[in-house]
Amino acid sequence: AQSVTQLDSHVSVSEGTPVLLRCNYSSSYSPSLFWYVQHPNKGLQLLLKYTSAATLVKGINGFEAEFKKSETSFHLTKPSAHMSDAAEYFCVVSDPPGGFKTIFGAGTRLFVKA
Amino acid sequence: KAGVTQTPRYLIKTRGQQVTLSCSPISGHRSVSWYQQTPGQGLQFLFEYFSETQRNKGNFPGRFSGRQFSNSRSEMNVSTLELGDSALYLCASSSGGYPTNEKLFFGSGTQLSVL
Repeated sequence: AQSVTQLDSHVSVSEGTPVLLRCNYSSSYSPSLFWYVQHPNKGLQLLLKYTSAATLVKGINGFEAEFKKSETSFHLTKPSAHMSDAAEYFCVVSDPPGGFKTIFGAGTRLFVKA
Repeated sequence: KAGVTQTPRYLIKTRGQQVTLSCSPISGHRSVSWYQQTPGQGLQFLFEYFSETQRNKGNFPGRFSGRQFSNSRSEMNVSTLELGDSALYLCASSSGGYPTNEKLFFGSGTQLSVL
């Protein structure tokens, strides 16, 4: 079975500094990986997805993630945090890859300080 | 295009009762999946339907069931409610093709409180 582990439950950064949200996956296959964001009182929104076409995936709002097979990681980064980035972020895997069961990580709450 | 619509938005029930939640997907989407979100357990997959067929399910007891209609609208039912069923129930839709490396569109959820 596929699984994802988000290594930090909370991350706090200052506005204008880089963001790093860490995610490791467990997969016997080439995985289907996603990052979703949940703003307070708003629905979940897809940030980006890994499709195996490229290891560096660019998403919305300046976020990107790099798929590293050797490290089984899919960390989410952004060069410069904005106050509006404060939200909960979920690393997600499809089980099996391309399958119909979606496994969410525990989530990382991002705090952005002015 | 209208988004994913979930009704009702809030629901209060007592232990032992049953509840039915509704989800209308984006027009043209044939896949609907359901999730339970709680502070302790996070987001957990309940089940996924495509063309009225359940294609996969998560590790929930049989008290949790669902169905999908020919117009792709879906309902989930929880029977014999327990206090631990209090949660935000989210539904998501997608076109549903295989492989499902597709974007899920989420509704705002139904907040269920069991007293």
